[in-house]
Amino acid sequence: DAKTTQPPSMDCAEGRAANLPCNHSTISGNEYVYWYRQIHSQGPQYIIHGLKNNETNEMASLIITEDRKSSTLILPHATLRDTAVYYCIGNAGGTSYGKLTFGQGTILTVHP
Amino acid sequence: DAGVTQSPTHLIKTRGQQVTLRCSPKSGHDTVSWYQQALGQGPQFIFQYYEEEERQRGNFPDRFSGHQFPNYSSELNVNALLLGDSALYLCASSWRTRGLYGYTFGSGTRLTVV
Repeated sequence: DAKTTQPPSMDCAEGRAANLPCNHSTISGNEYVYWYRQIHSQGPQYIIHGLKNNETNEMASLIITEDRKSSTLILPHATLRDTAVYYCIGNAGGTSYGKLTFGQGTILTVHP
Repeated sequence: DAGVTQSPTHLIKTRGQQVTLRCSPKSGHDTVSWYQQALGQGPQFIFQYYEEEERQRGNFPDRFSGHQFPNYSSELNVNALLLGDSALYLCASSWRTRGLYGYTFGSGTRLTVV
């Protein structure tokens, strides 16, 4: 699995967009970028994943650079309930059987 | 539809004892993985079970063992508990679509070893 690098913490005002960066310069061609988040005392929650195209779902948008060395998770209108640790993970599925390698993640704090 | 269910939610054990944690996967999921999350760290992969066999294992000693039952539920056993085994233990069940895996995590079991 690719090594990912994320800032340890970020702040965001409620109602504004939260942009969480992730560096994955060693990602291989068949590895997807996954984002999970973990709210205090709960298990990680799947947010979104992508390979090379930008993706959007009801929770967030994922922007992947053309060279695939970095990506940004965008929460368009952050709320206090979005305060959590956000993990960016590179994963190929296939023979790795989907094992997820978590790093330290980014602690996002949304304030009023 | 119930998600992943783990029991118990909290547990206190004494050093040297043995513990069993339980996990019921989400309906339709046939694969169960276990993770250990120490305080302030990201989850670390312990092992994964599929078709009642351990398919993949992380860097954990043999004191950590598991089992999967025909109904896909799973147990994690830890023998000879150490203080360092204190952590949140997460179970994740997964499905596979077009070669990709999606995970649903339970809320975990908080194990404290004293």
